[in-house]
Amino acid sequence: AQSVTQPDIHITVSEGASLELRCNYSYGATPYLFWYVQSPGQGLQLLLKYFSGDTLVQGIKGFEAEFKRSQSSFNLRKPSVHWSDAAEYFCAVGPLGGYQKVTFGIGTKLQVIP
Amino acid sequence: GAVVSQHPSRVICKSGTSVKIECRSLDFQATTMFWYRQFPKKSLMLMATSNEGSKATYEQGVEKDKFLINHASLTLSTLTVTSAHPEDSSFYICSAQGAGNSPLHFGNGTRLTVT
Repeated sequence: AQSVTQPDIHITVSEGASLELRCNYSYGATPYLFWYVQSPGQGLQLLLKYFSGDTLVQGIKGFEAEFKRSQSSFNLRKPSVHWSDAAEYFCAVGPLGGYQKVTFGIGTKLQVIP
Repeated sequence: GAVVSQHPSRVICKSGTSVKIECRSLDFQATTMFWYRQFPKKSLMLMATSNEGSKATYEQGVEKDKFLINHASLTLSTLTVTSAHPEDSSFYICSAQGAGNSPLHFGNGTRLTVT
C-alpha cells in the first residue's frame, strides 16, 4: 500500500528565509509524486509534480522539489518565502497512471512571520 | 485556468436532515469527479469517484447509501449527505478531471456542521 509521511505538522519561518518541507513516501514501484497547497477555506492547488526524468522539478510560485529515490523523499523547497506562502502544504503519492488514486499526507501548516 | 465551483461553502443543518453539495466545472468538461473528506489534522480521504452517466465508485468504508453521488452531466456532480448526524460534520472537497490523464482541479470545499 502507498503512504505518505509529512513529519512536520507546523512550521514557522520568517519572511525572506528559505523553506524546506519534508515528505517521505512508501510505494512499491516508481511513484508519481505531488505537492499541493491549500489556502484557508480553499481547495487544493497543484504546485508541482514528479512523474519521471529530472529529479529536481520546478513548480509554480517559485517552489521546487527534489525526488530522492534512495531516501524515499520528495522535499519541497523555496529559497525565499513570502507572506502569501502561508498555507497548508500536502505531499501526495500515486501509482503510475497519474493523478487519480493518490494518497495524501496529513499536511504541513506553514506560518510566515514578518 | 480550469475552475471548479463548489457550493455551498458552508452549511449548518439539523441532525436527521439531508444536505446537497454541488461541484461544477465552469470552463471544461469533467469526465471524472472525485469527492473527498478532510478531517482536522488529517489528510484528505477519497470517498468516491464518479464518471458522468454512471454509478459512483465508493472507497472502502464509505457508506454509499449515506453519501449519494450523482454525476448527471459533464459539468456537475452532487454529493448528498442523507440523514446527517453530528459525526458527518467535516470539510468536503470535490475535484474534477478532464479527458485523459489531466491534472485534478479542486473546488474550495464545503464546511458541513450538523447540530
